[in-house]
This record gives sequence, structure tokens and C-alpha cells, in this order.
Amino acid sequence: QVQLQQWGAGLLKPSETLSLTCAVYGGSFSGHYWMWIRQPPGKGLEWIGEINHSGSPDYSPALKNRLTMSLDTSKNHFSLNLRSVTASDTAVYYCARGGYSGQLGYWGQGTLVTVSS
Amino acid sequence: DIVLTQSPLSLPVTPGEPASISCRSSQGLLSSNGYYYLDWYLQKPGQSPQFLIFLGSNRASGVPDRFSGSGSGTEFTLKISRVEAEDVGVYYCMQGLQTPRTFGQGTKLEI
Repeated sequence: QVQLQQWGAGLLKPSETLSLTCAVYGGSFSGHYWMWIRQPPGKGLEWIGEINHSGSPDYSPALKNRLTMSLDTSKNHFSLNLRSVTASDTAVYYCARGGYSGQLGYWGQGTLVTVSS
Repeated sequence: DIVLTQSPLSLPVTPGEPASISCRSSQGLLSSNGYYYLDWYLQKPGQSPQFLIFLGSNRASGVPDRFSGSGSGTEFTLKISRVEAEDVGVYYCMQGLQTPRTFGQGTKLEI
């Protein structure tokens, strides 16, 4: 059974860097797309970006200038870094495993990240 | 970007009755391999979203058969044949045809 477990700092100050890691248990990286999605409080879901099993990322145009995603197959995890955060980056961040056509079959538990001075 | 518009945004239902949610896309979602790249997800209160339907009409593993997806072109529908109390939450459609992948605004199903 595939499980995704994520962690990272939950409280940041403006201009700091948001860093989250998602560990993958029970499955391989091969053939899958590893995604990050966020959800501002009380709002809907927003795709942040993804990285495929070869390590090639694809970022949301709105965030690409601040975003870095990486994959570490030796540790079975993938990571998200979002630089220069502001209050508008406050959200629950989810990691998920998907495929070429979407199909987000497995999700992490979510991490609430609050940006506040 | 592809825009997905869901309706209704709020759906009060009675247990045992059917329910239907529409998802309209700003562009066709037919891929070159003949499949529609449209998924449905349910986010129950306080939980991560869960996978319901893929490629427009295929139920994900473990999803009850009271859930069904249909549609073509730019119009897609999620139907629940008989709503149960455990089905409450917010339903989202998502397109996987191109990046950025986009979601509908969500439809809140309440009993």
C-alpha cells in the first residue's frame, strides 16, 4: 500500500523560504509524477507543480520564479522549496502521486503553512 | 490555462436521492490517445482529497459503484445514484490534459 508522509515548517515570516518534504512508502518513483498542490484557508485546490520520475520539473507559471522541486530516489522522497513567501502563500500544502493524465491516486496528509510577521 | 467551471457550487441532498455535478471546461479535454483527461476528487471535511474518477468515466480502486462519471468534449458530469451520509464534502474536477493542471472551484455536497 502506497503512503505519502510529508513534513516541514508550519510558521514562516515574510521573505523566508518554505521547505516541505514528502516521503514515499510502498512504491517506486518509476512511471509516476510527483505533485504539490495547495489550498488556501477556506478555498479550493491549486496545482503548484510536479516533477516526473526522471527528475524533470514543471511549475505553475504564477510561481515558477520562486519555486524549486527535487527528487531523491535514494531516500524515497521529493521536496518543494518556495522562496520569498508572503501572506498569500498561507495554505495547506499537499503532496500527491499522479500520472501523465493526472490521476492523483495518493495524497499526503497535508501541512498547514502560515506566513505571518 | 484551461478553466474548469463547476455547477452547482452548493448541493443540498437527501440520503437515498441521486445527485449530479457538472464540470465545464474552457477547452476540449480529449487527448490524442482518445481518452478524456478529466478526474474527479472528493475532499471530506478535515481530510486530504481522495481520488474518485479518472479519464472521465473510470472509477478509482475501491470507489463505490454508486459514483459514475460521464461526458465528452468540454462537458462532464459526476453522478451519485443514491447519496449516503458519508458522501458529504467538496467535489472537485481536475483536468490533466495540459499543465498547469487546473481544478474546478469545488461543489459542496451537504445533507
